[in-house]
Amino acid sequence: KNEVEQSPQNLTAQEGEFITINCSYSVGISALHWLQQHPGGGIVSLFMLSSGKKKHGRLIATINIQEKHSSLHITASHPRDSAVYICAVPSNSGGSNYKLTFGKGTLLTVNP
Amino acid sequence: NAGVMQNPRHLVRRRGQEARLRCSPMKGHSHVYWYRQLPEEGLKFMVYLQKENIIDESGMPKERFSAEFPKEGPSILRIQQVVRGDSAAYFCASSPLDFYNEQFFGPGTRLTVL
Repeated sequence: KNEVEQSPQNLTAQEGEFITINCSYSVGISALHWLQQHPGGGIVSLFMLSSGKKKHGRLIATINIQEKHSSLHITASHPRDSAVYICAVPSNSGGSNYKLTFGKGTLLTVNP
Repeated sequence: NAGVMQNPRHLVRRRGQEARLRCSPMKGHSHVYWYRQLPEEGLKFMVYLQKENIIDESGMPKERFSAEFPKEGPSILRIQQVVRGDSAAYFCASSPLDFYNEQFFGPGTRLTVL
């Protein structure tokens, strides 16, 4: 079973700062997901990536398959980026890619 | 193109009642996944369904919980004789295929058991 560790658990930043959230997993995977959840809100899929880097607006996700590590970066952070960011990977039990194991999430607070 | 829809968004039940949670996948998606998020805990996989088939229900509690995805209509997660410990946010996600495909999440149903 894949184990997922996220760091930091909590992160407070000032508006405009560059943010990095890290995710490590224990078993090789086909793809990794980054999700965003606002308090009391739904879940938005930000990225699914299997290699290299993806960029969407101010968000950048990178993955190093050999090191089993991924990072989510936010450039020029804004208070509306305040949310929980969750990393998810396939559980890898029986070869299934659909059964996701989730990290505990990183609570990001961006102050104006 | 509407996203994944879930209803109701909030559901309050008394102990012993039944809860029915509905999930309509995105248009063109035939795979549905249900997840549960207990208070102060991470998301946990419950069940994976395709139209008229349960593919993997390894994350479902053995009793009182069932799920279906009929040929027509939304997927239903049913919880019979609810208990306080069932209070959680239940999310569904859908994808066009399972392998190497992104799962798109719905807004969730927040179940409160009194």
